[in-house]
Parts: sequence; structure tokens; C-alpha cells
Amino acid sequence: QKEVEQNSGPLSVPEGAIASLNCTYSDRGSQSFFWYRQYSGKSPELIMFIYSNGDKEDGRFTAQLNKASQYVSLLIRDSQPSDSATYLCAVNMFDSGGSNYKLTFGKGTLLTVNP
Amino acid sequence: DTGVSQNPRHKITKRGQNVTFRCDPISEHNRLYWYRQTLGQGPEFLTYFQNEAQLEKSRLLSDRFSAERPKGSFSTLEIQRTEQGDSAMYLCASSFIGGPQETQYFGPGTRLLVL
Repeated sequence: QKEVEQNSGPLSVPEGAIASLNCTYSDRGSQSFFWYRQYSGKSPELIMFIYSNGDKEDGRFTAQLNKASQYVSLLIRDSQPSDSATYLCAVNMFDSGGSNYKLTFGKGTLLTVNP
Repeated sequence: DTGVSQNPRHKITKRGQNVTFRCDPISEHNRLYWYRQTLGQGPEFLTYFQNEAQLEKSRLLSDRFSAERPKGSFSTLEIQRTEQGDSAMYLCASSFIGGPQETQYFGPGTRLLVL
């Protein structure tokens, strides 16, 4: 069973702090990794993707990937109350037929940023 | 680029009735995915198409569920003889080409309530 694991939270941080969200995945052959943000009652919105080991920064967001440890994380600097949402980790893995890549989601981590 | 659209946005139906949802992907996107999401869970894969070909169906997809993408553009998802357990958000996503660096973009979803 190919899986993506996330801590369900909730993760609570004060405004201005760094929020750290973590994700592990089971398929060592995975090559692309995504973070989606989902506000309550809304659909997921892509915020970051990363393909190579190391860090990738976009504004207040930094994605970190370590393929050897099968671990990907998202850091949110200077957290704002508007960042309060569920963050979904998604990993492209081969589908059950083994011939096509397909996105597999974790269950998401609920982040609350307190003013 | 108008984004992925879904109709209807909300559907209330009685148990045993059939329902059909429509998804219009981003133009030029050749892949289209259907997911189901319940409260507190990440999106759960149902099925996906590359052009008009249905490449995979989840084992979770009972024979009451059927999806089509007849001309490789819009897609429909039909649920026959609905059950209360079918109540969920149904999400559609589309992407361009396939492969490990494929990026999916979601529509707003259709929220189904079965009474």
C-alpha cells in the first residue's frame, strides 16, 4: 500500500511564529511533491511543489525535501491568522498498474495561527 | 485561463436517487481526476482519465459509480442508487500531460448530501 503520512494536528502557533508541517511517504521512487492549502469548505489550492532534494523558497513558504529519508516538510515563516487552514501533502507515485504516475494525498494537518 | 469548473456546486438528494456531476477541466489539460473528500480526511482518489481513456478506478469505487469523459474534454460522474454514505465533497482536478512532475489543479467541488 503506497501511503503519505501527516500528523493530523491540530498544530497551533502564535502569530509571527514559524509553523512546521511534516510529511513522510512510502514510495522510494516518488519524484515530485506538493503542498496544498485547503480552507474549511473550500477545495485544495496548490501553494508549493518541489522535485529536488534541499530547500525551495517562495515568499514566506519553504518546502524541504529529503528523498533518502522519504520526508518532505513545509515551513511557514511569520505565520498569519489567514494561514489557518488544513495543509495537504501530496506525492506523485506510480498507480496500481505501475505504468502511470498518480497523486496520492495525506490526510492533512490542521494549522491554527492565533492572533 | 478560466480554471477547473464543476456543476452543480451543491446537491441534496434522497437515498436511492441517481445524481450526476459535471467537471470542465482547464483547456489543453489532458488528464482529469475525480476525488471524494469527507470531513477531516484528505482527498480520496476515485478515478482518472488521460484524454478519453479511463486509466484507473479505485477499488473503493463501487459499481454504483461510473465516470465518463467521452470526447476527452469535460467529464461526468454518476452515482446510482445513492446511499447516505455517499455524502461528501466530490472534487475534480486536471493536469497537463502525465509523468512525475505533473501538477494538478482543483475545481471548487460539488458537495453532495444524501438524506
